[in-house]
Amino acid sequence: DAGVTQSPTHLIKTRGQQVTLRCSPKSGHDTVSWYQQALGQGPQFIFQYYEEEERQRGNFPDRFSGHQFPNYSSELNVNALLLGDSALYLCASSLALAGGSQETQYFGPGTRLLVL
Amino acid sequence: AQSVTQLGSHVSVSEGALVLLRCNYSSSVPPYLFWYVQYPNQGLQLLLKYTSAATLVKGINGFEAEFKKSETSFHLTKPSAHMSDAAEYFCAVRGSSNTGKLIFGQGTTLQVKP
Repeated sequence: DAGVTQSPTHLIKTRGQQVTLRCSPKSGHDTVSWYQQALGQGPQFIFQYYEEEERQRGNFPDRFSGHQFPNYSSELNVNALLLGDSALYLCASSLALAGGSQETQYFGPGTRLLVL
Repeated sequence: AQSVTQLGSHVSVSEGALVLLRCNYSSSVPPYLFWYVQYPNQGLQLLLKYTSAATLVKGINGFEAEFKKSETSFHLTKPSAHMSDAAEYFCAVRGSSNTGKLIFGQGTTLQVKP
């Protein structure tokens, strides 16, 4: 049973560029959440996708956008990269329950983004 | 609004000693609480979760946590530390919305000395 997978593992970009990160959820899961973890900090919620729509968004600018595909995989896009976007980007998958709540989130290994 | 405070950014114990990592939460609704562990250059692994059933929750690798409503605490313990326990530990509370968004503490680095 494959867990949550993310690609690429590492990425180096320069300021102003755009980046796309990818995530495949754990088998049987239909919801994907994205988190940003700056060095020495706890993860911060970016947004969550369910049924190919953004369900909730954290306190991140519109430069951060996402997409969910019919197979439940997801992409995180960041435009106009800033030095401060350097971080570990974590994807978590979960299963939507009856009534709209979510089961436990399981995390992937993350993509480490360095912006120069 | 929900929040989590982890007391102590660094904890150092000797191998075989008791591990105690502290977490206090703030929540306007009955909380769902989690402990995750992060090994160097890896993602987060779920250690255990509290979902309003038993107040003493047992997790993987010999860890357990006790939910104390009166103290708004969810401290993580392990009777005997092992060198392989050295890692970053995060306490998290689930947000009040249905999305299950997690709100994390700042993390505690556990060092285990031989």
